[in-house]
Amino acid sequence: QKEVEQNSGPLSVPEGAIASLNCTYSDRVSQSFFWYRQYSGKSPELIMSIYSNGDKEDGRFTAQLNKASQYVSLLIRDSQPSDSATYLCAVKLSGGQNFVFGPGTRLSVLP
Amino acid sequence: EAGVTQFPSHSVIEKGQTVTLRCDPISGHDNLYWYRRVMGKEIKFLLHFVKESKQDESGMPNNRFLAERTGGTYSTLKVQPAELEDSGVYFCASSHGLSYEQYFGPGTRLTVT
Repeated sequence: QKEVEQNSGPLSVPEGAIASLNCTYSDRVSQSFFWYRQYSGKSPELIMSIYSNGDKEDGRFTAQLNKASQYVSLLIRDSQPSDSATYLCAVKLSGGQNFVFGPGTRLSVLP
Repeated sequence: EAGVTQFPSHSVIEKGQTVTLRCDPISGHDNLYWYRRVMGKEIKFLLHFVKESKQDESGMPNNRFLAERTGGTYSTLKVQPAELEDSGVYFCASSHGLSYEQYFGPGTRLTVT
């Protein structure tokens, strides 16, 4: 079992819809979770961090964390074509500060 | 505030040659990380500096890789001698103090032929 898993996609949604991206992780004691957006050929860009169970909202983005079920998700409301990118889930494992990344989900928002 | 910068953006070398990658973290960030993404794989951790000290180098693949951060500012990652499987994109990231949020540089695409 991989440490961090994501559906590779592509996930296609129409403009204006809600895009839902999911991530599961294997380290039960992980406490810190991050979502990065990466456009092709560019650096990963931090868009959300979440540390506590529940929802965290920032603009059109909502991160959801459920530690009991070991999953974290990212919702993008009112999706725009400019949101088309690969979304990377990163988990900080217990006992260190490095991240373990999932393979990323490619999102395509169709005009 | 300037972001994380990396140099060069792209390097093409022959097997057996040496390459040195450079990373300049965000000013004031004590934590500096190196990651690597090889074709078709996830981004993988290589090592972590706190100031000039190596905090965690558990991800370094072998002794052909040498990372330094003299003076606790910029860092270099040297690959000597390079092998074909070293090809990939090398990312550097930095974070401030005890913050876990890491900010990534644009990466160096290394191609070993």
